[in-house]
Amino acid sequence: AQTVTQSQPEMSVQEAETVTLSCTYDTSESNYYLFWYKQPPSRQMILVIRQEAYKQQNATENRFSVNFQKAAKSFSLKISDSQLGDTAMYFCAFMKLMWGSQGNLIFGKGTKLSVKP
Amino acid sequence: DTAVSQTPKYLVTQMGNDKSIKCEQNLGHDTMYWYKQDSKKFLKIMFSYNNKELIINETVPNRFSPKSPDKAHLNLHINSLELGDSAVYFCASSQDDRVGNTIYFGEGSWLTVV
Repeated sequence: AQTVTQSQPEMSVQEAETVTLSCTYDTSESNYYLFWYKQPPSRQMILVIRQEAYKQQNATENRFSVNFQKAAKSFSLKISDSQLGDTAMYFCAFMKLMWGSQGNLIFGKGTKLSVKP
Repeated sequence: DTAVSQTPKYLVTQMGNDKSIKCEQNLGHDTMYWYKQDSKKFLKIMFSYNNKELIINETVPNRFSPKSPDKAHLNLHINSLELGDSAVYFCASSQDDRVGNTIYFGEGSWLTVV
């Protein structure tokens, strides 16, 4: 069974600085997807970034980028120029690339990020 | 416009009652899901439907019954509510049933059973 581990329950960062959230996962699959979702106090789950395991290039979305290390099964999220609106729970998630796994996101337990002014 | 909308957002009810949570998506997606987030914020899939047909049923008690009248709607009915059913329930959708499609979530429905 796949597992996703986020080893940092809470983190804080000063506004405008950079922070990295860690995520490791365990799987025997070679093809899969990885995601970072953000859950602000409003509780809505918002996709931040996604990565296909077959792509070596790290995904980026504006101030958000990932460091995907397939051999190490590591998928960290870097937030540059942190903003107050980045304060949220961040969830790392894994999805197998196989029929029957549609929508079956395996989530980590989340990292609570606080951006301080 | 809200892409995935759920009602009600908050629901407090007594043990033993039956309740429903409604979900609608206006994204034109074929596939919809229900996820449960427990008190420790752990999120887990419950069901997925593609074009009104059940794809995934993740060991959920049969007190939970999803119903999809059309591909834009996936409602969740819960019978004989128990204290342990207290959670936030998220509806979600994706374009089709291809694996890896981005999942779009609703804002969640916070159910409290007393």
